[in-house]
Amino acid sequence: DQQVKQNSPSLSVQEGRISILNCDYTNSMFDYFLWYKKYPAEGPTFLISISSIKDKNEDGRFTVFLNKSAKHLSLHIVPSQPGDSAVYFCAASWVDKLIFGTGTRLQVFP
Amino acid sequence: NAGVTQTPKFRVLKTGQSMTLLCAQDMNHEYMYWYRQDPGMGLRLIHYSVGEGTTAKGEVPDGYNVSRLKKQNFLLGLESAAPSQTSVYFCASSIDRYEQYFGPGTRLTVT
Repeated sequence: DQQVKQNSPSLSVQEGRISILNCDYTNSMFDYFLWYKKYPAEGPTFLISISSIKDKNEDGRFTVFLNKSAKHLSLHIVPSQPGDSAVYFCAASWVDKLIFGTGTRLQVFP
Repeated sequence: NAGVTQTPKFRVLKTGQSMTLLCAQDMNHEYMYWYRQDPGMGLRLIHYSVGEGTTAKGEVPDGYNVSRLKKQNFLLGLESAAPSQTSVYFCASSIDRYEQYFGPGTRLTVT
C-alpha cells in the first residue's frame, strides 16, 4: 500500500516556464513533507520542506504548497532552468523515518 | 566535512556470496538509514537506526542485516546474495527525523 504517490513518472517543460510536480499521500497523520532532487549517479539532495501547520513555503525559485484537505502537495519551480533536469522525490515524515514517492523525472528543454 | 560516504561504490557478487556495505558520516548525526532504489519503485527503506547500538526494520528488510556499533558508522550486510538484491543502495543520516543527508550510493549487481 503506497502511502506517498507521485502519479506522473515524467514531465517535460520549456526553459523559463513553470514546472509543477505533484504528490499525493494517504495518511493524514503525516506532519512534515520534503522534496528531494536527484541527479544520475548521485545521492538525493534536500530541496525544500513544509510543516503540516503551513500551506506554503518558498525558497528562491522553489515553492511547495500543501493542501491538507486534499492530501496533496506540489512543488513549483519558476522559472525552470536546464540545470533543474533531475528526478524529484517527495517524502513524508512518519515516526522516525521518511516515506518516499516513486519520483518524477523533470526535463527542462531550451 | 566529508558528509556521508559509502564503501564500495560498485560491486558484483555471485548468487550466494556475502558482503558488507559501509556507511560513514562525520556530522555527529543520531539517525542513519539504508535505502534501496529500483526503477519505478522510488526509495525503499531497508533498515534504520535512531542511535548507536539501535537498529529497526524498514519496509524491505528481508535478506539484509545491519549493525550500528559506532555512532558514525552503519553497516549493511547481505549474508547470501540473490539476484533480486541487484539495486542501488543509498545510506542517509539525519540529526532528527526530518531532513536526511544522502551518500553517493553503491551499485550492486548479483549474478
